Amino acid sequence: KNEVEQSPQNLTAQEGEFITINCSYSVGISALHWLQQHPGGGIVSLFMLSSGKKKHGRLIATINIQEKHSSLHITASHPRDSAVYICAVSPQWYGGATNKLIFGTGTLLAVQP
Amino acid sequence: EPEVTQTPSHQVTQMGQEVILRCVPISNHLYFYWYRQILGQKVEFLVSFYNNEISEKSEIFDDQFSVERPDGSNFTLKIRSTKLEDSAMYFCASSRGGESGDEQYFGPGTRLTVT
Repeated sequence: KNEVEQSPQNLTAQEGEFITINCSYSVGISALHWLQQHPGGGIVSLFMLSSGKKKHGRLIATINIQEKHSSLHITASHPRDSAVYICAVSPQWYGGATNKLIFGTGTLLAVQP
Repeated sequence: EPEVTQTPSHQVTQMGQEVILRCVPISNHLYFYWYRQILGQKVEFLVSFYNNEISEKSEIFDDQFSVERPDGSNFTLKIRSTKLEDSAMYFCASSRGGESGDEQYFGPGTRLTVT
C-alpha cells in the first residue's frame, strides 16, 4: 500500500471552477508538502504545513492531522494552473531522524478555457 | 531568488557507461538530496547528504550509485554502470537544515536516457 495516496489522479476543470485535490497518508509526519510539477519536469514547492490552513493567492492548503488528510484548493482556476500537483510528506520516525520526502503519485490537472 | 541548478538538462548514455549528474545547491543550505522519477511514476527518494557524508539512503541507492561534494558548491550523483532501468528524471534538492519537515528546494532535473 502506498504511504501517500492522492485523488483524483486526473482532473479536468473549466476555467473559473473551484478545484479540490485530496491527499491521505498512513505514516506519522512532521510536515506535509504540496508541490507543483509542470511539463518538462521542474518541481516547485507550493506549501509546507503541519497544522491548520495556509493560503497563497488563489491556493489554499489544509491539513487534518488526526484524520491524516490534506486538501489543496484552487479558487477561480485558470488554464495556467494546469500542471501535476503532488502531495509529499516528511515522515516522522520515532527513535530516529529522517529528512527524506515520501511522494504521492500526483494529480494531473487540466483547466480548459 | 537563489535556486538549485542542475547540469546537464538531458544526458543520453549507453548501457554500462558511467554518468555523473551535477547539481549546485543553494549556497547557504547544508543538506542535499537526490530523487528520481521514472516516466509516469512517482518521485522516489534516493539519498540525503550532510557534512560530507550520506545521512540516509533508500533501497534504490545500491553500490552502483555514489554521491560526492567535490568542492564548496557542487553536489554530484554518479552511476557507475548504467542500466536501462536507470532511465529517469533525476532531481537534486537542498534544504537549509536537516530537520524533518524543513522545506526542500528542487532543481529543474536531469533527464537521463540509457540506451
